Amino acid sequence: DTGVSQDPRHKITKRGQNVTFRCDPISEHNRLYWYRQTLGQGPEFLTYFQNEAQLEKSRLLSDRFSAERPKGSFSTLEIQRTEQGDSAMYLCASSGGRLIGETQYFGPGTRLLVL
Amino acid sequence: DQQVKQNSPSLSVQEGRISILNCDYTNSMFDYFLWYKKYPAEGPTFLISISSIKDKNEDGRFTVFLNKSAKHLSLHIVPSQPGDSAVYFCAASAGGQGAQKLVFGQGTRLTINP
Repeated sequence: DTGVSQDPRHKITKRGQNVTFRCDPISEHNRLYWYRQTLGQGPEFLTYFQNEAQLEKSRLLSDRFSAERPKGSFSTLEIQRTEQGDSAMYLCASSGGRLIGETQYFGPGTRLLVL
Repeated sequence: DQQVKQNSPSLSVQEGRISILNCDYTNSMFDYFLWYKKYPAEGPTFLISISSIKDKNEDGRFTVFLNKSAKHLSLHIVPSQPGDSAVYFCAASAGGQGAQKLVFGQGTRLTINP
């Protein structure tokens, strides 16, 4: 396993459309995190899972956002009725491996542009 | 409220010299701190971390110092190399070893000049 992967790497959509992003964590990692990064800022926490349970959600995660992690493996982040303010880089991270410990390792991100 | 602050948006250092990146935090519950490096169009890459029970951690050319009383940490890179040019983020968490959400600073863009 070479690391956290995310798909797609880039997404351009029109305002009002729904988008879905996928994250595949490092195998055996039981924790998975979603962050959002806008220009000139550091990543901001959105939500995190331990196995399939969603344990914490940020107030940034409006009701248009939903994240799932079925079977505790990959995760999806869906944004419904996208708005221009949703344009950002969406980052996924994982941690909790027996050998690696709790350090969060990030994927390459999905860059979303809402027109 | 910005709980983790990196007050220098950019830093320029001569190759071979020491680079010092600074970070301040306000939340006294933070007990684990990390530095990440980010190249354009890539995700953050973990560099080094430190627990609040320590005041220094070293890994090769990278050393992180933690001053709990001042709520300040710094990353020293020595000697600096051109490949170190990137944006550096400090991050903090409460609850031990980064198992919880990370709170990031705004980042410092480091440029290493040949």
